[in-house]
Amino acid sequence: SYVLTQPPSVSVAPGQTARITCGGNNIGSKSVHWYQQKPGQAPVLVVYDDSDRPSGIPERFSGSNSGNTATLTISRVEAGDEADYYCQVWDSSSDHPTVFGGGTKLTVL
Amino acid sequence: QVQLQESGPGLVKPSQTLSLTCTVSGGSISSGSYYWSWIRQPAGKGLEWIGRIYTSGSTNYNPSLKSRVTISVDTSKNQFSLKLSSVTAADTAVYYCARGATIFGAPRYFDYWGQGTLVTVSS
Repeated sequence: SYVLTQPPSVSVAPGQTARITCGGNNIGSKSVHWYQQKPGQAPVLVVYDDSDRPSGIPERFSGSNSGNTATLTISRVEAGDEADYYCQVWDSSSDHPTVFGGGTKLTVL
Repeated sequence: QVQLQESGPGLVKPSQTLSLTCTVSGGSISSGSYYWSWIRQPAGKGLEWIGRIYTSGSTNYNPSLKSRVTISVDTSKNQFSLKLSSVTAADTAVYYCARGATIFGAPRYFDYWGQGTLVTVSS
């Protein structure tokens, strides 16, 4: 089965840039989607199809995907960005599963 | 604005069947290029995809849960449902329903989620 690997935690000071990685075998050939989840809330889509943003998501959120790594970049980090972030892909193997990464806790120092 | 709402028992006994329903409002469950999924999250852990259903009735399930899961849709009620049999304490989690977008029939991202419902498996 396809596996997505994320670092458990990333820390960044306010105003700096946070980069959260999502590793997978040849992930560059897949479309990667990213979700933000704050405590007690449902996940919210922040980036889809590698680098597109849903309406209402600040331009500070961006994404890239190449080779074996996809990256969610959050520029000018704010305290309100502190949350768990999950990457997600669809695996075209049998059963066509949706796969989530293990999640990364972003801490704003 | 599409909204999803999970409903069902919050407590299920071990070995019994967990049953949840997701009611969709603000749009028809049959319209557009979408599918409908269940996702769960044990306390303090990550997201786990359970399965999906298209309004055609076609389903896909997580291989690790496939033998115990059934997802169905009732278009007349704008609802879809989850049944998970032979539950154990390991099935205790917050269960989310979500709408998934597709492209050329292939699953993509989840754009709308329910608020989630906690199901505890305990005697």
